[in-house]
Amino acid sequence: DIQMTQSPSSLSASVGDRVTITCQASQDIFKYLNWYQQKPGKVPKLLIYDVSNLATGVPSRFSGSGSGTQFTFTISSLQPEDFAVYYCQQSDNLPTPTFGGGTKVEIK
Amino acid sequence: EVQLVESGGGLVQPGGSLRLSCDASGFVFSSFSMHWVRQAPGKGLEYVSGISSNGGTTNYANSVKGRFSISREKSKSTVYLQMGGLRLEDTAVYFCARDPHRLLGPGGYFDLWGRGTLVSVSS
Repeated sequence: DIQMTQSPSSLSASVGDRVTITCQASQDIFKYLNWYQQKPGKVPKLLIYDVSNLATGVPSRFSGSGSGTQFTFTISSLQPEDFAVYYCQQSDNLPTPTFGGGTKVEIK
Repeated sequence: EVQLVESGGGLVQPGGSLRLSCDASGFVFSSFSMHWVRQAPGKGLEYVSGISSNGGTTNYANSVKGRFSISREKSKSTVYLQMGGLRLEDTAVYFCARDPHRLLGPGGYFDLWGRGTLVSVSS
């Protein structure tokens, strides 16, 4: 199975900061990498699919890049509503999709 | 309204069975593959199972293979997860999720999620 390693597992940042999260796949997953946001007590929300495509209604301060085994998720200017846990997810499958362990973004 | 609503969760003893349901509304159910994802208390997301739009293909995480079975009923716009041989580690909130792709394969993603139903396995 494809393993997804996210780093860091948590970070503290201030409003307005640039935040970057990385996700490493245990094998080549080409462009099949998605990102989700989950706020406490809430349902996961799709932010980015296929590495860099913003889901409907997602603000442009969110972005993604990468290919193969190394991927990056960036929030260009952190907003109060962005404090949450972020998950990467590979959809190359083999045999099923898998999620990274999550990154908790907290207020500094 | 476009939504997914799960039901069927509850408290069950180890070794027991449970059937979860996910009722879809507001979209053409037969055009989407459907999936179950779970989240143990205080933990991350774990993929459980998926079914293609026509029900012809299914997949399962290794952790549930042979114990869980996914199915769908077009007339009711409902997807099911039959869970058997439940273990303590199956305790989690089970989310139903929609994938815009009809087939199970590379490129899928989950663009709509239900609120989840809690399954607690305990003696």
